[in-house]
Amino acid sequence: KAGVTQTPRYLIKTRGQQVTLSCSPISGHRSVSWYQQTPGQGLQFLFEYFSETQRNKGNFPGRFSGRQFSNSRSEMNVSTLELGDSALYLCASSLALPPQETQYFGPGTRLLVL
Amino acid sequence: KNEVEQSPQNLTAQEGEFITINCSYSVGISALHWLQQHPGGGIVSLFMLSSGKKKHGRLIATINIQEKHSSLHITASHPRDSAVYICAVTMDSNYQLIWGAGTKLIIKP
Repeated sequence: KAGVTQTPRYLIKTRGQQVTLSCSPISGHRSVSWYQQTPGQGLQFLFEYFSETQRNKGNFPGRFSGRQFSNSRSEMNVSTLELGDSALYLCASSLALPPQETQYFGPGTRLLVL
Repeated sequence: KNEVEQSPQNLTAQEGEFITINCSYSVGISALHWLQQHPGGGIVSLFMLSSGKKKHGRLIATINIQEKHSSLHITASHPRDSAVYICAVTMDSNYQLIWGAGTKLIIKP
């Protein structure tokens, strides 16, 4: 089975722009979670989707949004980018909702905001 | 105070040494996770625990629910074990994951 894939792997944007990141979960997985990782803050939970519904949301501003499609693929959007949004964005999938199911992580999308 | 505390923050050891990384938490949990992150960003889930002990190769993870404490042990450590080890807990109230800050482990040959 292919693992979790994320596209693009690297992205450079300027302040004020918007960005869309994509995550394809492992085939058959219905839960997708998004995390932001920065050197100063570590891993921060963004949101979690299951069967196209957002089930949990972390403490991030409304500029951060996401959605999940019927094929379980998920997208994350950040509008009006700020310098502090530069980070590694990780996506993880699981068969069902954590914690009953182990999460499998993608390689991440490294975003640099200039 | 962070809800998940890991210690030590950094650890350097010689190849072959027995390694212990600790994780304490202050919230009610339904599961605790140990993850490994190598340079470059790739994260691998090592263990998911809700009680007792799990072993996979040279890695052993234990959890004491009463004491709200977990340990990750590495036996016969090897330079390829060098990575950041992250403890995360799933809260039993809302199933959100809370992450520790990670322990950076360096194993010298």
